[in-house]
Amino acid sequence: NAGVTQTPKFRILKIGQSMTLQCTQDMNHNYMYWYRQDPGMGLKLIYYSVGAGITDKGEVPNGYNVSRSTTEDFPLRLELAAPSQTSVYFCASSYFPTGTGNTIYFGEGSWLTVV
Amino acid sequence: GIQVEQSPPDLILQEGANSTLRCNFSDSVNNLQWFHQNPWGQLINLFYIPSGTKQNGRLSATTVATERYSLLYISSSQTTDSGVYFCAVGVGDNYGQNFVFGPGTRLSVLP
Repeated sequence: NAGVTQTPKFRILKIGQSMTLQCTQDMNHNYMYWYRQDPGMGLKLIYYSVGAGITDKGEVPNGYNVSRSTTEDFPLRLELAAPSQTSVYFCASSYFPTGTGNTIYFGEGSWLTVV
Repeated sequence: GIQVEQSPPDLILQEGANSTLRCNFSDSVNNLQWFHQNPWGQLINLFYIPSGTKQNGRLSATTVATERYSLLYISSSQTTDSGVYFCAVGVGDNYGQNFVFGPGTRLSVLP
């Protein structure tokens, strides 16, 4: 049982490049999330999904896109990378909504630098 | 939007000491959780505590929802307790899908 797996762990992008952060969970969770964490700050929600085919914006969605074609996978796409997207990205999942108090599981994070 | 504050921002303790971390929030919430981020970046859920008191080993948490604050107590601290402790509150529809995280308290426990 691997939990939540993110790849890549580290990446350097040039301004204007695009890339996809991969996230997979093997716990059959309905709910999946993408957060970003800027240095010295708490996490901010980018996008979330309540099930395959259903996604919605979080607090800071600009510059990102997501899709959820399967229960297991929730990739995050960065289009036209900008220095402001330099951050640590966390994927997370839970079986029930976070509001019910159900445990949320985080991946180990992806460190992205845009230069 | 809702504001979440945490204090103190930094805390240095000797092993074996006790500590209290505080989280204040500016509006009613339907969800409050405490997380620990270890020095390697891994985030672990500690407590779901929108109100009342819970205990788990050396850690306990209390939320007074009417006064909009929550406290995390760490007793007999160990070096493995080091890291950043985040308070997060759930707001909005869908059972609070949008977590708003506080800035965190960075705890260093010295041997």
